Amino acid sequence: GAVVSQHPSWVICKSGTSVKIECRSLDFQATTMFWYRQFPKQSLMLMATSNEGSKATYEQGVEKDKFLINHASLTLSTLTVTSAHPEDSSFYICSAGTSGNEQYFGPGTRLTVT
Amino acid sequence: GQQLNQSPQSMFIQEGEDVSMNCTSSSIFNTWLWYKQDPGEGPVLLIALYKAGELTSNGRLTAQFGITRKDSFLNISASIPSDVGIYFCAGPNAGGTSYGKLTFGQGTILTVHP
Repeated sequence: GAVVSQHPSWVICKSGTSVKIECRSLDFQATTMFWYRQFPKQSLMLMATSNEGSKATYEQGVEKDKFLINHASLTLSTLTVTSAHPEDSSFYICSAGTSGNEQYFGPGTRLTVT
Repeated sequence: GQQLNQSPQSMFIQEGEDVSMNCTSSSIFNTWLWYKQDPGEGPVLLIALYKAGELTSNGRLTAQFGITRKDSFLNISASIPSDVGIYFCAGPNAGGTSYGKLTFGQGTILTVHP
């Protein structure tokens, strides 16, 4: 149980374009999902908290207009990187929370902006 | 905010050796989570601890929730090559606007030589 999927697993896009990443909880409902960014050999950096049916809560320093989050259902949250630039290249990981304080992570999406 | 100090940062061991890593915090946590992350993948939950003093095993892995609720330990016995990866400790933030968010340790990079 507690499986989270992400799509795509990797994407290459040109500078200036937008990319959408999907995060799904496959066998449970998640009112809250989280989006992280990770650089090589570093810990996970929380970008935003995605709440079903309401606006996402962004961490300090994360541009909400650049990283658009939509949590339209209890099993799906999306992260759209708008007007992507090479510095946005990173590993993006989502997670879904359960009532027991545990979070289950997706497999991640490797974004490369050329 | 809450911080977790994880050590060691990296370990290089021979196959068959036991491994120990720990996390400490200046504030109390009510839950401790241990994750393993393989290269290019999302973190996978290994063990969840909910009670001070709790000792929980998952195969060759054993984790303990410190009595003071400010630390936790993860031990791996008889390491094998597939134990290679980054291990993270994590704990849920306190209530208020931070509810549900996790604080992560810096990670321990484990390398196992055959």
